Amino acid sequence: DTEVTQTPKHLVMGMTNKKSLKCEQHMGHRAMYWYKQKAKKPPELMFVYSYEKLSINESVPSRFSPECPNSSLLNLHLHALQPEDSALYLCASSQEGRGLPETQYFGPGTRLLVL
Amino acid sequence: AQSVSQHNHHVILSEAASLELGCNYSYGGTVNLFWYVQYPGQHLQLLLKYFSGDPLVKGIKGFEAEFIKSKFSFNLRKPSVQWSDTAEYFCAVEAAGNKLTFGGGTRVLVKP
Repeated sequence: DTEVTQTPKHLVMGMTNKKSLKCEQHMGHRAMYWYKQKAKKPPELMFVYSYEKLSINESVPSRFSPECPNSSLLNLHLHALQPEDSALYLCASSQEGRGLPETQYFGPGTRLLVL
Repeated sequence: AQSVSQHNHHVILSEAASLELGCNYSYGGTVNLFWYVQYPGQHLQLLLKYFSGDPLVKGIKGFEAEFIKSKFSFNLRKPSVQWSDTAEYFCAVEAAGNKLTFGGGTRVLVKP
């Protein structure tokens, strides 16, 4: 099973709302990732967790707050977003995220619209 | 900082034609290389990958790619495309720390 699931599939929120995106995998992977993909652009890395610890933050604004409650779950908490944050948010997972060659498996994404 | 460039933004071809998509990267050290595909309405899927060994790698659905270290290239090929190959194709490079950098993508449209 190489499935990464994400909920919700679609999300519309106002600039004052607080919402969360969820990602789950049951492949026993210990590394999980958040990417942002704008329309007609490639995915861009936001955060990397390895063994439930944040290992990479690509200078993402603090209105995005990641959380990894356990090895299977990854959340992205959203607060006070801007319309330009509207995008497809992709979650991925891989074996360990400790620098060795690994394949990342992607979820279907959450399509976020900020009004 | 490393970068990945895909030469063609859009490719249109007929069924049974051969496909070659270019990918070049800028990074002098050891890299891991990937091609991902995104079919319409679907999520990113791995087509093939190169970590080490034989520079000619075979992936799913009849795709293959060749790593040419001296040219910093990892071009994707398929000898005969089908309508179902219509998708967006992304080259990605992992240089260090499991950070994937994606190319800009190539949208491929195969006409039946």
